[in-house]
Amino acid sequence: DGGITQSPKYLFRKEGQNVTLSCEQNLNHDAMYWYRQDPGQGLRLIYYSQIVNDFQKGDIAEGYSVSREKKESFPLTVTSAQKNPTAFYLCASSRDRGDEKLFFGSGTQLSVL
Amino acid sequence: QKEVEQDPGPLSVPEGAIVSLNCTYSNSAFQYFMWYRQYSRKGPELLMYTYSSGNKEDGRFTAQVDKSSKYISLFIRDSQPSDSATYLCATKTSYDKVIFGPGTSLSVIP
Repeated sequence: DGGITQSPKYLFRKEGQNVTLSCEQNLNHDAMYWYRQDPGQGLRLIYYSQIVNDFQKGDIAEGYSVSREKKESFPLTVTSAQKNPTAFYLCASSRDRGDEKLFFGSGTQLSVL
Repeated sequence: QKEVEQDPGPLSVPEGAIVSLNCTYSNSAFQYFMWYRQYSRKGPELLMYTYSSGNKEDGRFTAQVDKSSKYISLFIRDSQPSDSATYLCATKTSYDKVIFGPGTSLSVIP
């Protein structure tokens, strides 16, 4: 089955620690995205990538970093510079950057210890 | 003013009721309108998609866009307990990113 796989489902971060969230897709989509979801708020775009080895900052990129070394993979690192990391993180993909139809993974809940 | 506004609810209805979910938006350049359904602690899934104004029907679901008033609606007929979820409206221009509303939480009571 084609889809997007996020791991882990739950993640805990200690003070000063960097953590990496995994996102893999087998839909052969060019564009991939990372969103952050907080209670009562819409999805906020962290980073997106249109093609391999290229990515752009979204609305709330500070404290986060990404890489896109393979078409299938778009990992997100939450760095120690992100002072309020507790949130539900969603990875998505689309056929290309202009496609309005997003396909989402099942999310990773990140909490601070 | 936020680009897309949506009443967060929660909205609670009895099984079988007709549900109306609504959003307003501010940018008249928006052309694509989507509704995503998100079950608790899951990723959103695309439920309905409409280009420009008009209605689109899919089974028990009808999406309606009124560009003159910048109003988006989703109607659910014969609502079922399995429809209990958060519904996110979303929109975009032809060249920019997707903008999401905050979502409306719906509970359908058996």
